[in-house]
Amino acid sequence: RKEVEQDPGPFNVPEGATVAFNCTYSNSASQSFFWYRQDCRKEPKLLMSVYSSGNEDGRFTAQLNRASQYISLLIRDSKLSDSATYLCAPQGGGNKLTFGTGTQLKVEL
Amino acid sequence: DGGITQSPKYLFRKEGQNVTLSCEQNLNHDAMYWYRQDPGQGLRLIYYSQIVNDFQKGDIAEGYSVSREKKESFPLTVTSAQKNPTAFYLCASSMDGLGNYGYTFGSGTRLTVV
Repeated sequence: RKEVEQDPGPFNVPEGATVAFNCTYSNSASQSFFWYRQDCRKEPKLLMSVYSSGNEDGRFTAQLNRASQYISLLIRDSKLSDSATYLCAPQGGGNKLTFGTGTQLKVEL
Repeated sequence: DGGITQSPKYLFRKEGQNVTLSCEQNLNHDAMYWYRQDPGQGLRLIYYSQIVNDFQKGDIAEGYSVSREKKESFPLTVTSAQKNPTAFYLCASSMDGLGNYGYTFGSGTRLTVV
């Protein structure tokens, strides 16, 4: 099993739609989890941390399910500017972050 | 403003040459990392350093070397032993080496072998 698995997509959604991505991780000892956004040919940028109780930042909600070992990212009221690749990054072996290969989101008019 | 700076943005290397990619941070972060990203693929860890004068190999260290003589700086040398060096190289830093605070990335260096 891979350390981190994400559906590569692309997820093509209309503007205003709600879309959700999941990311499964294999290290049951992981304590920290993050979502990053990466635009084409740019560096990843931290979108949000994922806390045990879940957290929300505007249109974005991140949740953690320890029992099933996955984290999720929900985007409400999608904007064209949300089009990007979303990488999940759970804490992996040696306390380093392990990055998923990303899920591509395309928001369309 | 604090941040992490990579240079150059684009780099062209001839076969058989060594090249060095610069990475400097003024965030006072303890840990620094080098990743490689190939088109359509994820980030692969090359080397990381959790403290000055110490560094460890990541998953794909062969053909690369690093140094960490100063807290602010973590240069990566791509040697001629790296057979397929064309890629997007990303440097990152974090407050600690424990993965508790997430990583901050530089804007990357695109290396092309000509």
